[in-house]
Amino acid sequence: EAGVAQSPRYKIIEKRQSVAFWCNPISGHATLYWYQQILGQGPKLLIQFQNNGVVDDSQLPKDRFSAERLKGVDSTLKIQPAKLEDSAVYLCASSLESSSSYEQYFGPGTRLTVT
Amino acid sequence: GDSVTQMEGPVTLSEEAFLTINCTYTATGYPSLFWYVQYPGEGLQLLLKATKADDKGSNKGFEATYRKETTSFHLEKGSVQVSDSAVYFCALSVFNFNKFYFGSGTKLNVKP
Repeated sequence: EAGVAQSPRYKIIEKRQSVAFWCNPISGHATLYWYQQILGQGPKLLIQFQNNGVVDDSQLPKDRFSAERLKGVDSTLKIQPAKLEDSAVYLCASSLESSSSYEQYFGPGTRLTVT
Repeated sequence: GDSVTQMEGPVTLSEEAFLTINCTYTATGYPSLFWYVQYPGEGLQLLLKATKADDKGSNKGFEATYRKETTSFHLEKGSVQVSDSAVYFCALSVFNFNKFYFGSGTKLNVKP
């Protein structure tokens, strides 16, 4: 079974530029998550999709971050304009609903450096 | 609100030493509990999980027991190896809302 795919793996941009990250979840997984992991911290949920609908985006800085999941499969996370504090690893995860727990599978992440 | 607190690191041990990484949680419902591991340069991987009180999750020699009375899910391993060096994250999920909350992570360094 193929895992969660993310691209690019690394990105360096200057502040005020824009950037986009792509995620392809495990086939058949209805739930997709985007997390921000700042160095030395645990992942922080930015947005959660159930199929192509948003379940939770309460911690997404909507003035600069946006995300979409067209057709309930792939997803894109965009930052425009970027700030220095956006430097982090952006993790995508997916999960398959089950009757007992929602186990998440993570992609390798995209490391963003904003200079 | 729901949250996870885990011991700060780094934890440095010699090979074959006993490992405990403490994790406590706060949850409004009946969460599932998880330990994830992140090896250098890699994404998070599920290490073990427990879905109800008194359940014990185990994998690769690691164990953790879901203790509802103490709201804890401490990670243990009897004999660590150099290859266990990684960052370990405790996490909980709230079933009804399918939300995950992660602790801040504990870095483990195992010396030969």
